[in-house]
Amino acid sequence: NAGVMQNPRHLVRRRGQEARLRCSPMKGHSHVYWYRQLPEEGLKFMVYLQKENIIDESGMPKERFSAEFPKEGPSILRIQQVVRGDSAAYFCASSHRVLDRGGEQFFGPGTRLTVL
Amino acid sequence: DAKTTQPNSMESNEEEPVHLPCNHSTISGTDYIHWYRQLPSQGPEYVIHGLTSNVNNRMASLAIAEDRKSSTLILHRATLRDAAVYYCILSGGDQGGKLIFGQGTELSVKP
Repeated sequence: NAGVMQNPRHLVRRRGQEARLRCSPMKGHSHVYWYRQLPEEGLKFMVYLQKENIIDESGMPKERFSAEFPKEGPSILRIQQVVRGDSAAYFCASSHRVLDRGGEQFFGPGTRLTVL
Repeated sequence: DAKTTQPNSMESNEEEPVHLPCNHSTISGTDYIHWYRQLPSQGPEYVIHGLTSNVNNRMASLAIAEDRKSSTLILHRATLRDAAVYYCILSGGDQGGKLIFGQGTELSVKP
């Protein structure tokens, strides 16, 4: 069973461009989570999606950031008009069950975004 | 948010057991206790989780206090590959499905 896959692993964008980060969850997992880790900082929750629905987006910046998890295909985290402060490692995780019911989350290797 | 308290850092010698403590005095009856770790330049990795009883898996053991206000992650024989930041996280309540990472414990392993 392949693990959580993220691509690209490294992404370089210039200020003002768009960044699209993809995440393919583990087979059979319908819950997807995105986290961000700024340089020298801890991991912060961004958004939780369950097939075609956003369940919790309390950690998403109000502007420029969006996420989707379509019925078919990977989950996408989209950052419009990137700024230097968006440079970070973005991690995706998936789970079979919700955490508060004891389900564990499996993380991908991350996408490291650098904004020039 | 359910709160946990962990030491900032710990040191261990290779092939010796390591006991990583976590205090969670405000835990509620339905909160699970999860441990994750993050090796340098990698994504977090699930280690173990439990509710009330002690748990064992191939990676570690989780010892949960009887009152559930604290727990200890036990690595039975530390290896250099175990050097990582270890996070103790509670789930439940109004957190929904998300993990709320604290600062964790940075474990260093000496050869």
